[in-house]
Amino acid sequence: QVQLKESGPVLVQASETLSLTCAVSGFSLTDYGVFWVRQPPGKGLEWMGIIWRNGNTDYNLALKSRLSINRDTSKNQVFLKMNSLQADDTAFYYCTRGVYPGILDYWGQGVMVTVSS
Amino acid sequence: EIVLTQSPTTMAASPGEKVTLSCRASSSLRYMHWYHQRSGTSPKLWIYETSKLASGVPNRFSGSGSGTSFSLTINSMETEDAATYYCQQGSNYPPITFGAGTTLELK
Repeated sequence: QVQLKESGPVLVQASETLSLTCAVSGFSLTDYGVFWVRQPPGKGLEWMGIIWRNGNTDYNLALKSRLSINRDTSKNQVFLKMNSLQADDTAFYYCTRGVYPGILDYWGQGVMVTVSS
Repeated sequence: EIVLTQSPTTMAASPGEKVTLSCRASSSLRYMHWYHQRSGTSPKLWIYETSKLASGVPNRFSGSGSGTSFSLTINSMETEDAATYYCQQGSNYPPITFGAGTTLELK
């Protein structure tokens, strides 16, 4: 069945770089896009970016200068890197599978990342 | 960027009550999607392409709308329906945008 699972550090120092991995199973990264969405505790959902099935990427303009998304199709993994972290980057980070038209049909369990000063 | 405005922000409903949640878009959309989230869990796709129920969603839920006005309706509120519901536009992306959510509580 389709599964996505995020992993990475739960605590990151301010000004450092966050690196997260999304391991997927049950589908191919060359058939579906993978989105990253984050959610500060007690707040709403924010789209961060997407890596399309052809490997192209699009980013939230507000994060574009700090964010990169890549993948390793042979390992069924998608990677998120975001630099210059600040306190307001503290959030749950989710990877999700995307199908046209912009439907996020499967979500990972999420990983809570705290930025510490 | 398309802005989605959900209303109300919070509401409470009694078991058996009919509930309607609203989502208005700043520009006309072909579709709206809805997600359901309980505290401490990841969001789940609930309704897609405006009116199609995701797998496992009870048929007391329905979605409707067009253009800039969309809604999610629960025909008869049940205890398990208490959650936060987010609308999300998938007609014109990137960027994907979400509404701020409506928290539905049990009265």
